[in-house]
Amino acid sequence: NAGVTQTPKFQVLKTGQSMTLQCAQDMNHEYMSWYRQDPGMGLRLIHYSVGAGITDQGEVPNGYNVSRSTTEDFPLRLLSAAPSQTSVYFCASSLISRGFNTEAFFGQGTRLTVV
Amino acid sequence: KQEVTQIPAALSVPEGENLVLNCSFTDSAIYNLQWFRQDPGKGLTSLLLIQSSQREQTSGRLNASLDKSSGRSTLYIAASQPGDSATYLCAVQTGANNLFFGTGTRLTVIP
Repeated sequence: NAGVTQTPKFQVLKTGQSMTLQCAQDMNHEYMSWYRQDPGMGLRLIHYSVGAGITDQGEVPNGYNVSRSTTEDFPLRLLSAAPSQTSVYFCASSLISRGFNTEAFFGQGTRLTVV
Repeated sequence: KQEVTQIPAALSVPEGENLVLNCSFTDSAIYNLQWFRQDPGKGLTSLLLIQSSQREQTSGRLNASLDKSSGRSTLYIAASQPGDSATYLCAVQTGANNLFFGTGTRLTVIP
């Protein structure tokens, strides 16, 4: 049972480069989301999706794009990497039941460094 | 905007001790509250989820309580073990289906 799978686990980028962080879940969850975790700030929501073809912005969306073409996949794109995007990124998924999210499942994270 | 606070930021206890972790939130209009565990360099693992209509949930040595009106939750860990050492995070779900996280309590259980 794979759960939520994130790739890569580590990445170093140069300022201005672009890249895509991959996230896939095999639990048929409608809800998927991306968070970044920075020291002393807790996890902050970047983007989320409540189903294929539907995405919306979270608390800190600037500099990131997402798409949801399938239920399983929710990639996060960094358009032009900046040192401020150095962080640990987590993907999460959950079922939606009666309009509310149920238990959240998280991937193992991607540690991104922008130099 | 929902603000979630966890105090203390770090806690060390001897093995076998019972302990309580605290979580407070500013907006009581939540749908549920979740407690997570995070080991160093790892993702988050859900421990307990309390619906807004519930007062508490239990799983093994863990018991979480929720007082929505006062904006507080506690996670009680009984008979702590070194394997309980980790960072514990609480998160509240708002009407937009999104989670707001606290910054966590780093727990060390000393053998």
